[in-house]
Amino acid sequence: DTGVSQNPRHKITKRGQNVTFRCDPISEHNRLYWYRQTLGQGPEFLTYFQNEAQLEKSRLLSDRFSAERPKGSFSTLEIQRTEQGDSAMYLCASSLGTDLNYGYTFGSGTRLTVV
Amino acid sequence: GQQLNQSPQSMFIQEGEDVSMNCTSSSIFNTWLWYKQDPGEGPVLLIALYKAGELTSNGRLTAQFGITRKDSFLNISASIPSDVGIYFCVNQGAQKLVFGQGTRLTINP
Repeated sequence: DTGVSQNPRHKITKRGQNVTFRCDPISEHNRLYWYRQTLGQGPEFLTYFQNEAQLEKSRLLSDRFSAERPKGSFSTLEIQRTEQGDSAMYLCASSLGTDLNYGYTFGSGTRLTVV
Repeated sequence: GQQLNQSPQSMFIQEGEDVSMNCTSSSIFNTWLWYKQDPGEGPVLLIALYKAGELTSNGRLTAQFGITRKDSFLNISASIPSDVGIYFCVNQGAQKLVFGQGTRLTINP
């Protein structure tokens, strides 16, 4: 499978716990993006990496959120001290630069439920 | 910031009907993208538009980039059950995608 892989697909956690999600992009893609999608809304940009460098972070990404892409391949998104408002689908996407001919390839997402 | 307004928010149609949805923005765009999201999956690119006035087809899908560069529409002809899902208009900025709130399409067999 050469698509974008996200794990886990679903995560249920208690409020206050930390959670970590993983994204494996398409291997030759140098850009990796994280988006968050709440019910009834379109995905919203959180952050992106070019290779291992994190180049932009949305103001949606509070201090409790941290993302890494240590070797320029897979990425992790950690949420500390989860809150009920963090419940959402977290989508990862990758692209080869911003080449519109290829577009972005999204993974199937990790659905987080904070109880 | 950019705002994308899609209409309608939801549609309930019979199989075989044609579908039309549109998107307007508060800003001028250089690119319009249309994505579809199936339940439980990530969005998938359907059509990309690069020039004002451009009309592009992909099978039963047709999309147009408005002359004012502030709007776009997507048409689906002869709908089939697998067309069910959420359709997003999207602007591609230099660093990120900005999504509309989506049009949810439901098809009655």
